[in-house]
Amino acid sequence: QLHLQESGPGLVKPSETLSLTCTVSNGSINSNNYYWGWVRQPPGKGLEWIGSIYYSGNTYYKPSLKSRVTISVDTSKNQFSLKLRSVTAADTAVYYCARNKGSGGRYYFDYWGQGTLVTVSS
Amino acid sequence: EIVLTQSPGTLSLSPGERATLSCRASQSVSSNYLAWYQQKPGQAPRLLMYGASSRATGIPDRFTGDGSGTDFTLTISRLQPEDFAVYYCQQYGTSPPWTFGQGTKVAVK
Repeated sequence: QLHLQESGPGLVKPSETLSLTCTVSNGSINSNNYYWGWVRQPPGKGLEWIGSIYYSGNTYYKPSLKSRVTISVDTSKNQFSLKLRSVTAADTAVYYCARNKGSGGRYYFDYWGQGTLVTVSS
Repeated sequence: EIVLTQSPGTLSLSPGERATLSCRASQSVSSNYLAWYQQKPGQAPRLLMYGASSRATGIPDRFTGDGSGTDFTLTISRLQPEDFAVYYCQQYGTSPPWTFGQGTKVAVK
């Protein structure tokens, strides 16, 4: 069974950069037809897709976050990472990594990590 | 960006009853590229349906997805205790951004 695990600081100061890593196990990130993405959920609210990456490095980003987001992949470690710059309290959320299944730019999320809470506060 | 509106916000039902959840899109979702997820408190979302009507692996057949264009439904034929949760729809019929609805909570009456 594919397993995804998020890791990174649980507390980030305003204006700094949020950095998270997702480690994939029991499966290879070098797989055709799968993207690897990040979804967040503010406390008590709904889900918001942030962006996704293919093992080749091709990325999709949510337009409203694109200027602050970078997603990268390290195939040698079977990991992908999220960086979100210039964070504010509005970026406080549970951050999930997830596998995107589909093709041709059309992907849903079939495996999810357990999520990690990141709080933005001084 | 396609906006998904789910209704009702909360559905209060008893075990054994039928639940019907709605997801309406602001524009047509091509090829019925719509998914449904279930989320329980403190847990990650779990994929239930994709392609509007295909059940994900291990999902029981009391869950049924239907719809096309802009109107989609998720039906749970006989609610089991483990089905009380929040349900989200997600469209992936266009190139990104892929978007989610705001969720419907199925609560115990």
